[in-house]
Amino acid sequence: QSVLTQPPSASETPGQRLTISCSGSSSNIGSNTVNWYQQLPGSAPKLLIYTNNQRPSGVPDRFSGSKSGTSASLAISGLQSEDEADYYCAAWDDNLNGWLFGGGTRLTV
Amino acid sequence: EVQLMESGGGLVKPGGSLRLSCAGSGFPSTRYAMDWVRQAPGKGLEWVSSITQSSSYIFYADSVKGRFTISRDNAKNSVYLQMNSLRAEDTAVYYCVRVRGQQLARVGPNWFDPWGQGTLVTVSP
Repeated sequence: QSVLTQPPSASETPGQRLTISCSGSSSNIGSNTVNWYQQLPGSAPKLLIYTNNQRPSGVPDRFSGSKSGTSASLAISGLQSEDEADYYCAAWDDNLNGWLFGGGTRLTV
Repeated sequence: EVQLMESGGGLVKPGGSLRLSCAGSGFPSTRYAMDWVRQAPGKGLEWVSSITQSSSYIFYADSVKGRFTISRDNAKNSVYLQMNSLRAEDTAVYYCVRVRGQQLARVGPNWFDPWGQGTLVTVSP
């Protein structure tokens, strides 16, 4: 069981906006930054958002991240069929001295 | 282009050993910490181990502590994961990742970029 909690699935129609939540605790999200990774079917994960809300070059501005307290969110606007993927949040945990991943959210567009 | 290429995966019996390698190219390995992350079939991501640039700091997930050993050879731009006493639950695709940002996550923000394509480890009789 993941210590970072994400909804296992999400679904929305093309063009709409959707938010994926990631809930943690004071030792992980509450103390450290959050990263998001996108895993397209059959592919390795790819960095999507880093340090809570930063987009790597090449990631469309339709993707945005935020953090408040012990929770974080990934928002995707103008949903496209190619956004269908698994999305994972991740944060360092000070108590475990290791990285935690959320269980992943499978997005269907 | 920055690339990571894992190798060494395969089928091994429970209790056996395997050594994974990760060769980096397109960047100076001496400047980056490196990690291993795994993904069991049909499951989510699980962090396995971290090693800083000069191997000064090494961390392991509790699930592999005492059985797995991470190491690196900066002259070869490579990172390794020695896996001993393998169990069925170690069956997974193992990804090598480069760490960007701070060397140590507890010091400041860091993140995994890029990821290798992964190598499959299957532990089965």
